[in-house]
Amino acid sequence: QSALTQPASVSGSPGQSITISCTGTSSDVGSYNLVSWYQQHPGKAPKLMIYEGSKRPSGVSNRFSGSKSGNTASLTISGLQAEDEADYYCCSYAGSSTFYVFGTGTKVTVL
Amino acid sequence: EVQLVESGGGLVQPGGSLRLSCAASGFTFSSYEMNWVRQAPGKGLEWVSYISSSGSTIYYADSVKGRFTISRDNAKNSLYLQMNSLRAEDTAVYYCARDLTGYSGHDYWGQGTLVTVSS
Repeated sequence: QSALTQPASVSGSPGQSITISCTGTSSDVGSYNLVSWYQQHPGKAPKLMIYEGSKRPSGVSNRFSGSKSGNTASLTISGLQAEDEADYYCCSYAGSSTFYVFGTGTKVTVL
Repeated sequence: EVQLVESGGGLVQPGGSLRLSCAASGFTFSSYEMNWVRQAPGKGLEWVSYISSSGSTIYYADSVKGRFTISRDNAKNSLYLQMNSLRAEDTAVYYCARDLTGYSGHDYWGQGTLVTVSS
C-alpha cells in the first residue's frame, strides 16, 4: 500500500496557473478513473475539490480542474488566488485488496 | 445540512483500546458508504477503513487490520471505530468521511478527533 507520489511543494504568483501531479501505478490511478483531490487548510478537515478524475462538486470554483494520463493524475489551479494556499492530496480507488490510497500531499504557496 | 461529528478521542497507553464514534445528520445515513481516514501530526492523510451502507462489506488498511473494527448503526445514524492494541504510530487525528457512490471520492468530512497513544 504505497502512497501515491506528489511533489512536496508547488508555488506560483497570483493569477498564474499551477499543476500538481499524482503518480501511481497500473493497480490504482492507471486502472480506474476514480481519482479525487482534496484541499486542506491548516487545522481544518479536507475538502473535496475534484472527483472521478475531473468532476467538480457543487460550489467548487471552476478554476480547479483535473485530468489523467496513464498512471498520473493532475490537478490544475488557474488564476491562482491567496485563498488557494493550502495542502492538496490526491486519492485513488485501488481495487478490493488495497481499496483507497492517498497521495503524499503537496503544499501550495502563493507568492 | 450534512454534518459529521466525531467523538471518543483522547490519550491512551500503548496496548490500550479506544472507541471512536461519528454522529451523522442532514442526510439519509443508511444510504451511504462511510470511511475512517487518519492524519498523524504533521503528516499526510491515510485511509483506515471502509464500510458499505448496509455494513455487509468492510475493508481495512494493512496497518490496522486485525486491530481495528469498523461498524455502524443505521438506526442511530452512527459510525464507529473500535481500536485495540494501540501503538504509538496510531497517534493521529481521525476523520469520518462520507463516500460518493462508486468509490469516486469522499464528499463530506467531520472535524476530526485526536487520538494520542503514549505512556
